[in-house]
Amino acid sequence: KAGVTQTPRYLIKTRGQQVTLSCSPISGHRSVSWYQQTPGQGLQFLFEYFSETQRNKGNFPGRFSGRQFSNSRSEMNVSTLELGDSALYLCASSQGQGALGYTFGSGTRLTVV
Amino acid sequence: QKEVEQDPGPLSVPEGAIVSLNCTYSNSAFQYFMWYRQYSRKGPELLMYTYSSGNKEDGRFTAQVDKSSKYISLFIRDSQPSDSATYLCAMSGNAGNMLTFGGGTRLMVKP
Repeated sequence: KAGVTQTPRYLIKTRGQQVTLSCSPISGHRSVSWYQQTPGQGLQFLFEYFSETQRNKGNFPGRFSGRQFSNSRSEMNVSTLELGDSALYLCASSQGQGALGYTFGSGTRLTVV
Repeated sequence: QKEVEQDPGPLSVPEGAIVSLNCTYSNSAFQYFMWYRQYSRKGPELLMYTYSSGNKEDGRFTAQVDKSSKYISLFIRDSQPSDSATYLCAMSGNAGNMLTFGGGTRLMVKP
């Protein structure tokens, strides 16, 4: 059974650019959540999608957005990148809605220079 | 002050030792308490979860929750070098909510 797949694994971008990260959940999982992990702040919740609808949103600026497609794959977009956006972005999928039963992907390491 | 506090470590122990990892929290609405293990360059993997107060045991791992003190613990018995990782506590108000994580404790088990 394939796990949660995040692409790309590593990314280097310049300040002011935008970036799109992709997450393919485990087959049959309909909920996808995104987290940002940094050394200073730890893991922080970005948003959750369930059946193509955003169900929860964390306390991040509007530069961070996401969407979910009909096949449950999800993308997150960060516009006008700042140095502080450098982080590991983790995606987690689950069968139902919410945090119990999360399976995390290995993440996308984003470096903003 | 963060909602969930966790000593970052690193915590270094000899193989076979009993390890105690702890978190404190401030939000009394938390009811689901979880422990994740994260190896370098990997995503977190769920070790255990507990609903409300009490103890739960799974092999060498025991999770304890004391809601009155807003304090949770994970004990690892007979620790192995393969247990070397970062351990994250996480909490939720209900099964459908997002998780609030502690900052993680880095554990090193030396052979």
